Amino acid sequence: DSGVTQTPKHLITATGQRVTLRCSPRSGDLSVYWYQQSLDQGLQFLIQYYNGEERAKGNILERFSAQQFPDLHSELNLSSLELGDSALYFCASSVRVHTEAFFGQGTRLTVV
Amino acid sequence: AQTVTQSQPEMSVQEAETVTLSCTYDTSENNYYLFWYKQPPSRQMILVIRQEAYKQQNATENRFSVNFQKAAKSFSLKISDSQLGDTAMYFCAFPSTQGGSEKLVFGKGMKLTVNP
Repeated sequence: DSGVTQTPKHLITATGQRVTLRCSPRSGDLSVYWYQQSLDQGLQFLIQYYNGEERAKGNILERFSAQQFPDLHSELNLSSLELGDSALYFCASSVRVHTEAFFGQGTRLTVV
Repeated sequence: AQTVTQSQPEMSVQEAETVTLSCTYDTSENNYYLFWYKQPPSRQMILVIRQEAYKQQNATENRFSVNFQKAAKSFSLKISDSQLGDTAMYFCAFPSTQGGSEKLVFGKGMKLTVNP
C-alpha cells in the first residue's frame, strides 16, 4: 500500500459526459502529480501541484482540468469525454519535487 | 531537453537468471535523483529503487541493484535471481526541472518476462 488513495477505481461513462477523479496523497506529501496511461502506452504527464499551486503542466487537454485543495487532496476533471480518453489515470504524490513519487492504484476510465 | 531513454522495449529471461535493464538520461543538473518503477500486470506502479546522483555508491535493494555511471548518464537496473513475480513493465524515471517546470519524466518502459 503506497498510502496514495484514488477513487473511484473503475469508471464507465458515455461520450460527452464529465467525470471527476479524486486523489488523496500520502500523509505529509505536498506534491501531487497526475498521469495518463493508455493501453500498452507509457505514462503521459498531465499536471503537477505543489501545496495547492500548479507547478507544471504537460500534455493536458483543454477539456481536462485539475486542482489541489487546502487539505492537499486533488481532483482531475475530465469533460466532453471522447472514446480516446479511455485510459488508466494515475495520481502520485511526493514530499517535495525532485524526490520519489508514490502512486495510487489508478482509476480505470472507460468511455463508451 | 531533459529526457529518459530506454532502448530495449522487451526482454525475457529464465527464472533464477540475472538480467540488466538499461536507461540513459540527459540533464545539465549536477544533483538529482533517478528511479526505477515496476508495473506488474495489476498495473500498480511500484517504486523499485532510487539513486542519488551525488552518491558514488550504487543503490541496492535486495535482488535489485543499479549501475550508475554519472559521466555517461547511464542508470541500469540489475535483477538477480529473477523470479516469476518480476514479470512486469519497468520504467526508468527522472525528476526534470527544465524551464521552471518540475515533473517526473518517465522512459517508455521495458517489458520483462520471467519464464519458468
